[in-house]
Amino acid sequence: KAGVTQTPRYLIKTRGQQVTLSCSPISGHRSVSWYQQTPGQGLQFLFEYFSETQRNKGNFPGRFSGRQFSNSRSEMNVSTLELGDSALYLCASSLDGTNGSPLHFGNGTRLTVT
Amino acid sequence: QKEVEQDPGPLSVPEGAIVSLNCTYSNSAFQYFMWYRQYSRKGPELLMYTYSSGNKEDGRFTAQVDKSSKYISLFIRDSQPSDSATYLCAMSAEGGKLIFGQGTTLQVKP
Repeated sequence: KAGVTQTPRYLIKTRGQQVTLSCSPISGHRSVSWYQQTPGQGLQFLFEYFSETQRNKGNFPGRFSGRQFSNSRSEMNVSTLELGDSALYLCASSLDGTNGSPLHFGNGTRLTVT
Repeated sequence: QKEVEQDPGPLSVPEGAIVSLNCTYSNSAFQYFMWYRQYSRKGPELLMYTYSSGNKEDGRFTAQVDKSSKYISLFIRDSQPSDSATYLCAMSAEGGKLIFGQGTTLQVKP
């Protein structure tokens, strides 16, 4: 079974621009979560989607948004990029997003904002 | 104070040693506990997933949870150079949202 696939692997953007990251979950998984990983803050939860609905949201500004499609694929968008948005963005999928359903991560998208 | 505390290391051990990695937490609502391994330029890989207090063993890995002390551990027996990675503890109270420790960097020297 293919794992979680994230595209692109690397992105370089300029301050003020916007970016869209893509995630394809493991086949059969209906929950997709997004995390930001930085050396200083570690892994922090952004949001979780299930059946095209955002069920949970972390403590990030509104510039960070996401959506999920009917095939469970998900996208994350960051608008008006800031230098501090430079990070590894990780997508994780699980069967249904409940506690009994462990998360499996992709290899991430490395975003650099200059 | 962070909800989950984990010593970042680095931790360096000789090949064959027993490795002990630990996390403490403050939120008694956490019910599920996980250990992930992350190699450089890769995403976290799920190693162990536990619910209740006690021990869970999988090959060379043993996860231990003590809810009364709010303390979890991961033991690696007969450590190998290929075990060199960052180990992240994670826990959840609500589905889809994990709270991670900072990660411990482990180096196993041949």
